This record gives sequence, structure tokens and C-alpha cells, in this order.
Amino acid sequence: AQSVAQPEDQVNVAEGNPLTVKCTYSVSGNPYLFWYVQYPNRGLQFLLKYITGDNLVKGSYGFEAEFNKSQTSFHLKKPSALVSDSALYFCAVRPYYGNNRLAFGKGNQVVVIP
Amino acid sequence: DAGVIQSPRHEVTEMGQEVTLRCKPISGHNSLFWYRQTMMRGLELLIYFNNNVPIDDSGMPEDRFSAKMPNASFSTLKIQPSEPRDSAVYFCASSLLGQNTGELFFGEGSRLTVL
Repeated sequence: AQSVAQPEDQVNVAEGNPLTVKCTYSVSGNPYLFWYVQYPNRGLQFLLKYITGDNLVKGSYGFEAEFNKSQTSFHLKKPSALVSDSALYFCAVRPYYGNNRLAFGKGNQVVVIP
Repeated sequence: DAGVIQSPRHEVTEMGQEVTLRCKPISGHNSLFWYRQTMMRGLELLIYFNNNVPIDDSGMPEDRFSAKMPNASFSTLKIQPSEPRDSAVYFCASSLLGQNTGELFFGEGSRLTVL
């Protein structure tokens, strides 16, 4: 079964500094990979996805993620963090073929300090 | 597009009472997912449907939980009887099976408190 690991509970970063949220995954075959963001008292919102092709994927709000097959990682990045980026971030994976069950990580709380 | 619509947004009930949560997926979507989110366990998949048929209910905690999808535009998650440990935020999500990317669209959630 597919699974995701997000090793850090919380990521603190100063406003204007680069932001990185780490994710590693396990899946049979090739993966579909996703990042979602959750603001307080809201549902999860889609940020970006990797399906195939270029390993660097660009998404909403200036976020991007890099797929690394050899390291089975899909880290989320933003060159310059904003206070409004403070939220809970989830990485998710499903297999390229087979079920459409999406496995989520436990989430990382990102705190951007003014 | 109205997005995924869940009701109620908040529910406070007493232990032993029946709770019914409702979900209207995005029109045209044919996969529907119920998730539960707690601080301790994070986001857990309870059950999902493809074309109104339950595909995987292995995440349903116990027999007190049941889910139905009588048609493509409506699903319910029922807890009977409810217990304090069921307190959580319950999310419904939908997607388009066959699109093959698995991107889910989430509702705003139903926050359940069982006293």
C-alpha cells in the first residue's frame, strides 16, 4: 500500500526566507504526487501535482516541488515565504496504475515569522 | 462551480446519539471519499466510492460507522451510537475517476463534538 512520510512536525521560517517542506513516499510502480494546503478551519486545497515529465513542478501561490525518483522524495519549496503561507501542508501519493486511493502524510505546520 | 458541499459545518451531540453527516460532491465527479481528521491521527481515509459503489471501507473504524451513496450527487456518513472518541473533523472529497490524476476536491468539513 502507498504511504507518505513528512518527517518534521513544524517548520519555522522567517518571512522572505526560502521555505522547504519535506516529503518522501512509498508506492508500487510510478507515483502520482500531490501537495495540499489547509488553512485554519478550512478544507484542504490543492497546490500542485506531479504526474510525469519535468521533475520540477510549479503550482499555486509561488510554490514548486521537485520530484526525485532515486530518493523517492517530493519536497515542496517556495523561494520567499510570506506570513500568509502559515498553514498546514500535506503531501499525498497514489499509484500511477490501480486504485485511486490517495495516501496522505501527517502534515507539516508551517509558521512564517514576520 | 459550487465545490463540494458538506453539512452540517458544526455538530455537538451527546454520547449515544445518532449523527448523520452529508455531502454533495462536485457535479460530474464520480469518486467520493470520506476522511476523518484529528490531532492525534491526522487525516484518515474512512471509505471511498466509485460510481456510487463502495470500493474500500477498510478505514471505517467499527460497525457504528456506515456510509451510503444513493446517487451521484449525495452521500451520507452515519455514526450510531456516537462516542466521545468520534469527535473530529470529517471531510468529504470528490474527484473524476478516469482523469487518472487523482486530484481531490475537498469540502470545508463537518466538525463533530460528542460530549
